[in-house]
Amino acid sequence: DAKTTQPNSMESNEEEPVHLPCNHSTISGTDYIHWYRQLPSQGPEYVIHGLTSNVNNRMASLAIAEDRKSSTLILHRATLRDAAVYYCILMDAGGTSYGKLTFGQGTILTVHP
Amino acid sequence: DAMVIQNPRYQVTQFGKPVTLSCSQTLNHNVMYWYQQKSSQAPKLLFHYYDKDFNNEADTPDNFQSRRPNTSFCFLDIRSPGLGDAAMYLCATSRDRVAGGQVAGANVLTFGAGSRLTVL
Repeated sequence: DAKTTQPNSMESNEEEPVHLPCNHSTISGTDYIHWYRQLPSQGPEYVIHGLTSNVNNRMASLAIAEDRKSSTLILHRATLRDAAVYYCILMDAGGTSYGKLTFGQGTILTVHP
Repeated sequence: DAMVIQNPRYQVTQFGKPVTLSCSQTLNHNVMYWYQQKSSQAPKLLFHYYDKDFNNEADTPDNFQSRRPNTSFCFLDIRSPGLGDAAMYLCATSRDRVAGGQVAGANVLTFGAGSRLTVL
């Protein structure tokens, strides 16, 4: 499986933008880039995904480098409720008609009031 | 709301006493996954079902078994829990490409809240 590298932790202040980086230098042409987050004592929650183009949704934006070897999850205005572990994952379709997620260690985001 | 529900949320068992955790879904998804998450670690895939087809990960111990009697329900059985099996167990679902009308790599997983297992 192609692997991702993320910083262990990051900190932000409330109401400020947060840029969470992810390196995936061995990404293959068919790998989608997924981001999930896990709030304390909860299951992981889908945030966003993309293939080549930048993506926006109500939760966040995903900026993908032109060579696809890195990506950045952007939270436009962090709130205390955004404090979580953020996982950057390359979805392994592996010839199947569905995808499996193989989690890395993720980035612990702390948001200060 | 359509969702993935896990029961019980908290389970305490004794060393060696079998445990069953359940997962139900109202999403009508074809695929159901079981993950194990130990303290301060990332979730680790144990196995998954595509419809009735069971797919075991290579390093999943034999102590862990699963059953899927119908589309909506999936069970995780731990035959003889050891202290090292104390963890959060997460159930997730996803649809397949044909039904979802999207390519496999774009599949989104929906997770339950998890079942936390304590082994005494």
